[in-house]
Amino acid sequence: DGGITQSPKYLFRKEGQNVTLSCEQNLNHDAMYWYRQDPGQGLRLIYYSQIVNDFQKGDIAEGYSVSREKKESFPLTVTSAQKNPTAFYLCASSIDQWGYEQYFGPGTRLTVT
Amino acid sequence: GDSVTQMEGPVTLSEEAFLTINCTYTATGYPSLFWYVQYPGEGLQLLLKATKADDKGSNKGFEATYRKETTSFHLEKGSVQVSDSAVYFCALKTSYDKVIFGPGTSLSVIP
Repeated sequence: DGGITQSPKYLFRKEGQNVTLSCEQNLNHDAMYWYRQDPGQGLRLIYYSQIVNDFQKGDIAEGYSVSREKKESFPLTVTSAQKNPTAFYLCASSIDQWGYEQYFGPGTRLTVT
Repeated sequence: GDSVTQMEGPVTLSEEAFLTINCTYTATGYPSLFWYVQYPGEGLQLLLKATKADDKGSNKGFEATYRKETTSFHLEKGSVQVSDSAVYFCALKTSYDKVIFGPGTSLSVIP
């Protein structure tokens, strides 16, 4: 079955530590996205990548970093510079470069204490 | 800038009740409109979409019509089930910008 995999589902870290969230897709999609979801809020775009070896900042990129070395993979690193990292993180992909129809992974809930 | 407004939740309905979740938008140009659904603890799934004025998107008994004159895309279902309990997100996409998601509306259906 094609889809998007995010791991782990739950992640716990101590304040001051960097942490990397995994996102893999086998849909052969060009574009991939990272969103952050906080309770009672919509999704906010962190980073997106329309093609391998290229990525762009979204609305809330500060304190995050990404890489896109392979078409299938788009890992997100939450750095110690992110002031409030505890959130639900969603990875998505789209068949086209403009993101008209996005497919989402199951999400990773990150808790930093 | 572009934006999406949804009715505030949570919405609680009895099984077999009629559902309407209001969505209005502000956009420059002619956006495509979407409804996504998020079941507890999961990612979002595309529920339905409409790409131009007067289009009706439909899926799993849900419907929404793209109304350009009222800039709306209200989600409806004639008879909800307990399994429809989820958070519903209205979203828009223009050709030159990212997808804009509304804040989501939580729906609880009780037996």
